[in-house]
Amino acid sequence: GESVGLHLPTLSVQEGDNSIINCAYSNSASDYFIWYKQESGKGPQFIIDIRSNMDKRQGQRVTVLLNKTVKHLSLQIAATQPGDSAVYFCAERGDNFNKFYFGSGTKLNVKP
Amino acid sequence: ETGVTQSPTHLIKTRGQQVTLRCSSQSGHNTVSWYQQALGQGPQFIFQYYREEENGRGNFPPRFSGLQFPNYSSELNVNALELDDSALYLCASSFVTGNTEAFFGQGTRLTVV
Repeated sequence: GESVGLHLPTLSVQEGDNSIINCAYSNSASDYFIWYKQESGKGPQFIIDIRSNMDKRQGQRVTVLLNKTVKHLSLQIAATQPGDSAVYFCAERGDNFNKFYFGSGTKLNVKP
Repeated sequence: ETGVTQSPTHLIKTRGQQVTLRCSSQSGHNTVSWYQQALGQGPQFIFQYYREEENGRGNFPPRFSGLQFPNYSSELNVNALELDDSALYLCASSFVTGNTEAFFGQGTRLTVV
């Protein structure tokens, strides 16, 4: 199977600061990546995606960066809010049928 | 809300028993994948169903099996339950073509005692 890992298991930030969550993936052939947010007791929720032919993609307050040379993804959250507190997963797609492989997650704690 | 619903939300079973979990996929989606998420871990791919047939399996034994029905809903069956099967089981539906996200349900929390 695929191997997707995260550099930091827990990240604590002050409300209003920017957050950066990192992720390393192992399959250089992966062509599609998603960041998911998971709150306690809920299923993963889509945040933003990026295709392998892109380096950067921006959403509302979130930006995903893809560095294919070193097989690294990052999720940047601007002006982090208490509602952003959750576990964040990066997932890489294993094939064209949308099988996804997840890392172990980073827990984001936002301090008021 | 993603439109993917799972039932039941919680379940307690005894080791050695069998369990069936259910998932209704989002309207228009024809692919259903099942994931196991142990506490403190990321979801692990179990298998996927497309056109009512298994379309790929992760590193899970044959006692994990499934079905997909003509309306694209799906079941996950686990036989001979073991204590390590205790986890959150997630169902995700998607449309198979193109780069499309997988939408997850809220999961079924299975506890094996």
